[in-house]
Amino acid sequence: AQSVTQPDIHITVSEGASLELRCNYSYGATPYLFWYVQSPGQGLQLLLKYFSGDTLVQGIKGFEAEFKRSQSSFNLRKPSVHWSDAAEYFCAVGGYNTDKLIFGTGTRLQVFP
Amino acid sequence: KAGVTQTPRYLIKTRGQQVTLSCSPISGHRSVSWYQQTPGQGLQFLFEYFSETQRNKGNFPGRFSGRQFSNSRSEMNVSTLELGDSALYLCASRTGGDTDYGYTFGSGTRLTVV
Repeated sequence: AQSVTQPDIHITVSEGASLELRCNYSYGATPYLFWYVQSPGQGLQLLLKYFSGDTLVQGIKGFEAEFKRSQSSFNLRKPSVHWSDAAEYFCAVGGYNTDKLIFGTGTRLQVFP
Repeated sequence: KAGVTQTPRYLIKTRGQQVTLSCSPISGHRSVSWYQQTPGQGLQFLFEYFSETQRNKGNFPGRFSGRQFSNSRSEMNVSTLELGDSALYLCASRTGGDTDYGYTFGSGTRLTVV
């Protein structure tokens, strides 16, 4: 079965601290992996994506993610969190020749000053 | 470059009515997909269109339908609305090329069924 698991529903960090959001996937074919961010009442903004090649991908707003095939993981990281990073983060998986994305349940990030 | 535009932003309908939501993709984007987002079920895929053809459909009842026009604009329709259809409906577009994945999402239409 195809699925995405984000084990952390809610994470709280202090501003300036490092961040890692976890994502595990199950997908029968070669996965295309994505991280999106959603602010309250807004749509989804693409942070970064992985299709192939270098397993460490850089995204916008200083985020990066590492694809680990052996662990079926695609964790999102940021070395220093800013208060404006507070939002909900979604990991998603898709595949070649299909536009259907399967989303995780999301991780809500709260940032304390 | 204008983003994905969804109209209306907010909508209140009565149970049993029908509703049509509109999505204008980014210029040049030929692929459009729709998602439903609810607190209980999260983000769920509704359907995808490419060059006016529905290529994939999610696990939703037949009350949910959609279409895409020759200019790539898309509409989705929900008939006989139920309270459980209250959700944020998100539209997303991409060029449709094999090397271009990663949808751009609109801000969504918030549908409330009363």
